[in-house]
Amino acid sequence: EPEVTQTPSHQVTQMGQEVILRCVPISNHLYFYWYRQILGQKVEFLVSFYNNEISEKSEIFDDQFSVERPDGSNFTLKIRSTKLEDSAMYFCASRDRIGYGYTFGSGTRLTVV
Amino acid sequence: AQSVTQPDIHITVSEGASLELRCNYSYGATPYLFWYVQSPGQGLQLLLKYFSGDTLVQGIKGFEAEFKRSQSSFNLRKPSVHWSDAAEYFCAVGANRDDKIIFGKGTRLHILP
Repeated sequence: EPEVTQTPSHQVTQMGQEVILRCVPISNHLYFYWYRQILGQKVEFLVSFYNNEISEKSEIFDDQFSVERPDGSNFTLKIRSTKLEDSAMYFCASRDRIGYGYTFGSGTRLTVV
Repeated sequence: AQSVTQPDIHITVSEGASLELRCNYSYGATPYLFWYVQSPGQGLQLLLKYFSGDTLVQGIKGFEAEFKRSQSSFNLRKPSVHWSDAAEYFCAVGANRDDKIIFGKGTRLHILP
């Protein structure tokens, strides 16, 4: 069964550093998403991406965040200057156009120290 | 805007007993409804989804859910739980096929031997 692949599975970074979280969506999917889950809390929507541009973003997705689909297969989330409160599990998801096949990756646990 | 309420933070059942996890949603039109399961440290796995048609939806791992428009509910059920069902369960709602999905806060299921 096709999977959404996320790397790394765990990343530790110092406060103020830039991080890039990587995702490889399912190959024929057209819609891409990032969500995050702070430990013990619910999963929150960050951003959706379609046709090489952001479709929608939440209040969480401020100027410190950016997304990119650099090469037609990868989908990345960049945090420019990490804060302690960015520590969370970040999930990538992708969806096809027909039937709402919304698939999540296994997540990247980001720890900001 | 849509929202999801999962009134039970924790539920404990004995292995072999039946299970029902509650989910209530708020949305003006017919929603797209989902149940996801998350094992500790793992990603989000789709159990089942409802878009239209038969209001009783069958999913993986022996789970089912029933959409009740009059009660704005989409409760998850399983006739006989297994120890491996211990996990966190998230109900989620989407406004349409192109939209983000909004998650509830989750219900953690504990299984007694």
